[in-house]
Amino acid sequence: GDSVTQMEGPVTLSEEAFLTINCTYTATGYPSLFWYVQYPGEGLQLLLKATKADDKGSNKGFEATYRKETTSFHLEKGSVQVSDSAVYFCARWGGNFNKFYFGSGTKLNVKP
Amino acid sequence: NAGVMQNPRHLVRRRGQEARLRCSPMKGHSHVYWYRQLPEEGLKFMVYLQKENIIDESGMPKERFSAEFPKEGPSILRIQQVVRGDSAAYFCASSPGTAGEGYTFGSGTRLTVV
Repeated sequence: GDSVTQMEGPVTLSEEAFLTINCTYTATGYPSLFWYVQYPGEGLQLLLKATKADDKGSNKGFEATYRKETTSFHLEKGSVQVSDSAVYFCARWGGNFNKFYFGSGTKLNVKP
Repeated sequence: NAGVMQNPRHLVRRRGQEARLRCSPMKGHSHVYWYRQLPEEGLKFMVYLQKENIIDESGMPKERFSAEFPKEGPSILRIQQVVRGDSAAYFCASSPGTAGEGYTFGSGTRLTVV
């Protein structure tokens, strides 16, 4: 069935470290893929998206490339900041009646 | 243009009471979705509604939970006879169409059952 799998957290990094959060999906066809971020006590905010294979979504220094060969959409950032501490959710859009399927979330802690 | 408005932000109910969660979609959005986030877990789809219609309720528990999106007014998620396991954050999202574009989340209602 349709699903999204992302690496378990928490991930703890020092400021300016390189970040990778893995995400893979299963789906029929080529769904649109998204990364959402959730800061403490808040709702989800769209971080970036890609709508077709080989597209690269980017925002605020974060990037993710839609790889159909590996059905992956890994999130990367070259130099994290303390303010990036949050929970990151990978998601795909589609399925019956069109809706989001979310991964379980990866908590990122960035230490000064 | 206000975003998706959910209220209340926090709701405390005793076991057996009813919880009513409200969601006002963004202006111009006619599609509303409810998700539940259990502690330390991701978001799980519950129900998708358009005005006066339930389109997909495949994620709704079979008992005690219901949702509506009337012609006028906000969407309501109703939980009857709440139990401790219903404690969670409930998020509403709205969109103008079905392509995932413009999908906007509210800040959620955090339900605590005591």
